[in-house]
Amino acid sequence: KQEVTQIPAALSVPEGENLVLNCSFTDSAIYNLQWFRQDPGKGLTSLLLIQSSQREQTSGRLNASLDKSSGRSTLYIAASQPGDSATYLCAVIGGNNRLAFGKGNQVVVIP
Amino acid sequence: DAGVIQSPRHEVTEMGQEVTLRCKPISGHDYLFWYRQTMMRGLELLIYFNNNVPIDDSGMPEDRFSAKMPNASFSTLKIQPSEPRDSAVYFCASSLRGAGEAFFGQGTRLTVV
Repeated sequence: KQEVTQIPAALSVPEGENLVLNCSFTDSAIYNLQWFRQDPGKGLTSLLLIQSSQREQTSGRLNASLDKSSGRSTLYIAASQPGDSATYLCAVIGGNNRLAFGKGNQVVVIP
Repeated sequence: DAGVIQSPRHEVTEMGQEVTLRCKPISGHDYLFWYRQTMMRGLELLIYFNNNVPIDDSGMPEDRFSAKMPNASFSTLKIQPSEPRDSAVYFCASSLRGAGEAFFGQGTRLTVV
């Protein structure tokens, strides 16, 4: 069974600092990895999808890397802003089409 | 496209009552997923459909839970009878391919008292 871990569970950073969020997974036989953002009481917003053949994806201030062999992905958010405060979820997709989620990184950006 | 649409957004019901949650996936998407989110267990897959056919329902917790997809634009998740431990946020998601980018609805917050 795929296990997805996100550490740390919560972190606070001052505005302007770069954010680094880590995700690890136990089974490297994945198709894709997807990062989501969730605001309190809201649904999940897709940020980036990395296919298993890719090593990274970029969208604006966001960059996500994938190292399948070591079972790791990292989400970088450059020059963090208070509006980046949210919970960030990592999910891996295996051959059974099931998204396996981590518990998330709860981020607070301090103005 | 308006995205994945779920209704109702909030539902409060008494133990023993039947609850029906509804979902309209993104037009053209052929995969539909139902997830449940709790503080203790995070996000868990309950069931998913491909082309309206249930493919994997191994995450459905008990026989009290059932899901249907009568057509490509509508799905329901029913709980009968409901229990307080069913209280959670239920999400519906859809994707163009099984391993494609998944898009989530805003969720239904269910409270069973």
